[in-house]
Amino acid sequence: GAVVSQHPSWVICKSGTSVKIECRSLDFQATTMFWYRQFPKQSLMLMATSNEGSKATYEQGVEKDKFLINHASLTLSTLTVTSAHPEDSSFYICSARIPTSFETQYFGPGTRLLVL
Amino acid sequence: AQSVTQLDSQVPVFEEAPVELRCNYSSSVSVYLFWYVQYPNQGLQLLLKYLSGSTLVESINGFEAEFNKSQTSFHLRKPSVHISDTAEYFCAVSVGPGTYKYIFGTGTRLKVLA
Repeated sequence: GAVVSQHPSWVICKSGTSVKIECRSLDFQATTMFWYRQFPKQSLMLMATSNEGSKATYEQGVEKDKFLINHASLTLSTLTVTSAHPEDSSFYICSARIPTSFETQYFGPGTRLLVL
Repeated sequence: AQSVTQLDSQVPVFEEAPVELRCNYSSSVSVYLFWYVQYPNQGLQLLLKYLSGSTLVESINGFEAEFNKSQTSFHLRKPSVHISDTAEYFCAVSVGPGTYKYIFGTGTRLKVLA
């Protein structure tokens, strides 16, 4: 149980284009999902908290117009990197919280984005 | 403000030797504590967690961690490591009330040598 998937696992795009990453909870309904960014050999940096049916809460320093988050259903949250640039290249990881286990997060496998 | 410190960025150890990965946290409120493991190019997998009750928690693959409130520590141990344990290990705290966001340590790279 508590499986979280991400799609795509790998994406390469040209500078200036937008990229959408999907995060799905496969066997449970997730009222809250989180989006993280991880630079090589570094820890995870929380970007935003996504609640179903409401606007995402962004961490300080994260551009909400740059990283659009939509949590349209209890099993799906999307992160769209708009007008991507090479500095947006990173490993993006989502996590989801089981409603009955509010303190524990289950992580997706991550999406590696390379912007050329 | 809450923080998590993993002092060791890298820990090399020979196969079948014991290992301890250190984690200390700073918080003025009660926290929940977690260890996650990350294999190359993968997401994080929950290894074990402390929520309440017994201060010693164990994982199914032989790891254990002990919550020490007085020392604000949650060190991870394994009495005998395998090559397959080579990975990045992250300590995290979840702080409430509210969103229970995670605060991660900087990670410890465990390298098991043959």
